[in-house]
Amino acid sequence: QITLKESGPTLVKPTQTLTLTCTFSGFSLITTGVGVGWIRQPPGKALEWLALIYWDDEKRYSPSLNSRLTITKDTSKNQVVLTMTNMDPVDTATYFCAHTLYTSGWVDYWGQGTLVTVSS
Amino acid sequence: DIQLTQSPSSVSASVGDRVTITCRASQGISSWLAWHQQKPGKAPKLLIYAASRLQSGVPSRFSGSGSGTDFTLTISSLQPEDFATYYCQQANSFLWTFGQGTKVEIK
Repeated sequence: QITLKESGPTLVKPTQTLTLTCTFSGFSLITTGVGVGWIRQPPGKALEWLALIYWDDEKRYSPSLNSRLTITKDTSKNQVVLTMTNMDPVDTATYFCAHTLYTSGWVDYWGQGTLVTVSS
Repeated sequence: DIQLTQSPSSVSASVGDRVTITCRASQGISSWLAWHQQKPGKAPKLLIYAASRLQSGVPSRFSGSGSGTDFTLTISSLQPEDFATYYCQQANSFLWTFGQGTKVEIK
């Protein structure tokens, strides 16, 4: 059974760096073809893809946020970490991590999400 | 970037109605499209992948069709638990995009 769970601060100040951790079970990021992505959703708005990392350490970033994002994995802990620099109130959103396969590309399992508010 | 445009943005329907949602891609994506359902306060859930394949456990009243740039999600007979927001997601490139969502509301 695949599960993912996001963790991190619920409140960050403008200009700070956000660090979110996705802890997963039921799969391994050393298995060929496996990937984990991050997606966010501002309150009342649509889903927005942020970043992806695959078993072979290949990484992809949203072009509009590329300069602010870093995604890494820790296979020994079954975790994926997303950092986003220079946070702004418009970055207030629920942040989801998700499982995918390289051969398909769609999200097939979602974490429950974590709400991050950016405010001074 | 590949853009996805969903229509309508919202639809009001009654239980038992047939509902169709469309998703148009800005360039051809073959069948690399998925549909997700999201209920308020919950994470999305995968319904359809590869444009027309039903995810395990999803009721057969849901169906998907299309290829290239034009895709549809159809709910053949709307049930109370189907009132939610639906998003398409393209997987043609390794730069994901989502549609802006279609909210299915009770009439």
